[in-house]
Amino acid sequence: AQKITQTQPGMFVQEKEAVTLDCTYDTSDPSYGLFWYKQPSSGEMIFLIYQGSYDQQNATEGRYSLNFQKARKSANLVISASQLGDSAMYFCAMREENFGNEKLTFGTGTRLTIIP
Amino acid sequence: DAGVTQSPTHLIKTRGQQVTLRCSPKSGHDTVSWYQQALGQGPQFIFQYYEEEERQRGNFPDRFSGHQFPNYSSELNVNALLLGDSALYLCASSLDPENTEAFFGQGTRLTVV
Repeated sequence: AQKITQTQPGMFVQEKEAVTLDCTYDTSDPSYGLFWYKQPSSGEMIFLIYQGSYDQQNATEGRYSLNFQKARKSANLVISASQLGDSAMYFCAMREENFGNEKLTFGTGTRLTIIP
Repeated sequence: DAGVTQSPTHLIKTRGQQVTLRCSPKSGHDTVSWYQQALGQGPQFIFQYYEEEERQRGNFPDRFSGHQFPNYSSELNVNALLLGDSALYLCASSLDPENTEAFFGQGTRLTVV
């Protein structure tokens, strides 16, 4: 069974600093995808970044990058130059990419607070 | 272009009652998934609908049922509500079941008293 672990319940970071949110995963499927979502207090889950298990390069989307270490089964999110608007819950998620089983499995999340 | 819309945004029900939550997917999306997010937890997969059929289901009892209409909108029904059903219910849509990017609605906050 697939599992996502986020060990940081909360983090406080100074504005403009970089921040790394930790995520480890467990799966026996060779083909899978890793996702990061941001959830502000409004409740909507906002897609940030995706990494496929066969992707050779780490994914990047603007200020977001995913540090993918396949052997260690980790998929940490790095946010560069943090902004006040980055304060939110962040969820790591995984999907085993075999037909009929494409549901997302989420971790418990990390609450990120950016300090001015 | 409207994103995923859910209604209602908030709902209070009494234990034992039944509830229906609604979701309209993003334009062009034919796959709808439902998730339950209890307070302080990550979302848990309930089920996914594609071409008006339940395509896969998570570990939820039969009290949770759903439907997808020809216009791809979807409903989530919960019967015999328990206090533990209180949660944020999120709907996500995607272009197809295998698509990497799922778009989420703002959710329906259900409180069972």
